[in-house]
Amino acid sequence: DAGVTQSPTHLIKTRGQHVTLRCSPISGHKSVSWYQQVLGQGPQFIFQYYEKEERGRGNFPDRFSARQFPNYSSELNVNALLLGDSALYLCASSLGGATDTQYFGPGTRLTVL
Amino acid sequence: QKEVEQNSGPLSVPEGAIASLNCTYSDRGSQSFFWYRQYSGKSPELIMFIYSNGDKEDGRFTAQLNKASQYVSLLIRDSQPSDSATYLCAVNEAGKSTFGDGTTLTVKP
Repeated sequence: DAGVTQSPTHLIKTRGQHVTLRCSPISGHKSVSWYQQVLGQGPQFIFQYYEKEERGRGNFPDRFSARQFPNYSSELNVNALLLGDSALYLCASSLGGATDTQYFGPGTRLTVL
Repeated sequence: QKEVEQNSGPLSVPEGAIASLNCTYSDRGSQSFFWYRQYSGKSPELIMFIYSNGDKEDGRFTAQLNKASQYVSLLIRDSQPSDSATYLCAVNEAGKSTFGDGTTLTVKP
């Protein structure tokens, strides 16, 4: 079975641009969560979606938005990029229960110049 | 104070020894607890999860949970050089995972 997939693998943008990151969950998983991981820190929760509805949002500015599609894939959008947005963006999928295990994709490395 | 605290390390052990990794958390409502391993430049890989107080063993790994003390640990027996990585503790409540900043483990041959 395929695991969580993310695209693109790497991305270089300049300040002020916007970016769209994509994620496909494990087959049968209905929940997708997005995390940001900067170097030397643990992943920070951005969003969780379940059955196309936002279930949770972390402490990130409104420049960050996301959505989930009927096939449970998801997009993370970041507008007006700042240098501090440079990070590894991780997508995790789960069945959707409150205690479910989350499985991570390979991540997208975003560099903002 | 961070919600999930881990010693940053680095923790260095010789090959074949037991590595002990510790984690404390602040939210008593936390329901499930996870250990992930992350190699440099890669995404986190699930090692174990634990929901109930006590020990849970899986091969060379043992997770220990004490909800009264808000403490969870991971023991790695017979440590191998391939175990050298950063170990992340994650605490889950209502589907949201909060991570510590990880402990870097080095296993020396």
